[in-house]
Amino acid sequence: NAGVTQTPKFQVLKTGQSMTLQCAQDMNHNSMYWYRQDPGMGLRLIYYSASEGTTDKGEVPNGYNVSRLNKREFSLRLESAAPSQTSVYFCASSDRLAGGPGTDTQYFGPGTRLTVL
Amino acid sequence: LAKTTQPISMDSYEGQEVNITCSHNNIATNDYITWYQQFPSQGPRFIIQGYKTKVTNEVASLFIPADRKSSTLSLPRVSLSDTAVYYCLVAEQEGKLIFGQGTELSVKP
Repeated sequence: NAGVTQTPKFQVLKTGQSMTLQCAQDMNHNSMYWYRQDPGMGLRLIYYSASEGTTDKGEVPNGYNVSRLNKREFSLRLESAAPSQTSVYFCASSDRLAGGPGTDTQYFGPGTRLTVL
Repeated sequence: LAKTTQPISMDSYEGQEVNITCSHNNIATNDYITWYQQFPSQGPRFIIQGYKTKVTNEVASLFIPADRKSSTLSLPRVSLSDTAVYYCLVAEQEGKLIFGQGTELSVKP
């Protein structure tokens, strides 16, 4: 039981390049999330998927796209990377309990450190 | 502008009790408050969650006043291994999930 896995662990891009960050969970969770973490800013939600086949914007969605490929996998794509997207990206998953989105306990992956030159 | 705010940093010594307060004045009515711990180069890890009053588990307590506009994470008798960043997470009235900026706790011998 690996929990939440992310690939790659590190990536360096040039401005304008594209790439996809992969995330998979083996806990049979319905909800999955993508966050970015920048110094002094905490974690900010980019996109989330409450269930297979649905995605919604979070706090900072501009410049990103997501795909909920199946229940296990949720990918994040940068179509044209910019230096402002240099950050650590975390994927998380949770099982939706009764109540609002803040009720869920999220399980996080180890993160992807992305640098855009 | 509604924000979820925490102190940037705190210092403590081994064996002391540490209290970290998060202000969340726009919390959604029916939603919980959750606290996470993060070590360097790792993803955040769940510590404790509550809706009202006081919740206690094997690692921490969470105090929530009646108006729910703040919450206080209490770590009893901290050790060096509790040095980490602590985040509160709430859902706001508009349904957005918002993390606080994080409190960097440094425990000294």
